[in-house]
Amino acid sequence: QVQLVESGGGVVQPGRSLRLSCAASGFTFSIYGMHWVRQAPGKGLEWVAVVWYDGSNKYYADSVKGRFTISRDNSKTTLYLQMNSLRAEDTAVYYCARQWELSAFDIWGQGTMVTVSS
Amino acid sequence: QSALTQPRSVSGSPGQSVTISCTGTSSDVGGYNYVSWYQQHPGKAPKFMIYDVSKRPSGVPDRFSGSKSGNTASLTISGLQAEDEADYYCCSYAGSYPWVFGGGTKLTVL
Repeated sequence: QVQLVESGGGVVQPGRSLRLSCAASGFTFSIYGMHWVRQAPGKGLEWVAVVWYDGSNKYYADSVKGRFTISRDNSKTTLYLQMNSLRAEDTAVYYCARQWELSAFDIWGQGTMVTVSS
Repeated sequence: QSALTQPRSVSGSPGQSVTISCTGTSSDVGGYNYVSWYQQHPGKAPKFMIYDVSKRPSGVPDRFSGSKSGNTASLTISGLQAEDEADYYCCSYAGSYPWVFGGGTKLTVL
């Protein structure tokens, strides 16, 4: 069964760090680009970051560039998002998603909630 | 990069058809045939519905169809059913700023 399971969310103070994980199963993780997409409470979806299938390329939304780092470990079939210098506006449900061809996201995890608050 | 523009809400009665628009620019929607659509029920993860403007993944009913004209993409749902009530998001590949979503549209089935 193709599945993505996020973990690592929680409540964190502004300026602190948090690392999210996304465990993949049921498919050949190492041949797919992988993304993080977030959704603030009551708001729409916002693309956050992508990492190429082999980790060779990474791109970020302007809103997180320089603060967040996406990475992957193909041997562990796991995607990561290291989030530093967190701000209140980073509060959101964070989804990992598998890239379908170039344009789309075909498999999504259930999401993990990150709350940045003092 | 600005979010793509979608109507906040649309509605229709069971059996009717509705169309949701998604307007971008020549740098995203108009520049690539890489528009996708997602359905999201409250408290759930998004579900993949359409890719490459008009292609349906396996398992998605053919009541759902996509199209594009210029800088505007559209999702049409025909034969509305109660379970279609959800939020719908468009997304476009945008080249140098890879992916951008629309603000979302709430579909109400009357």
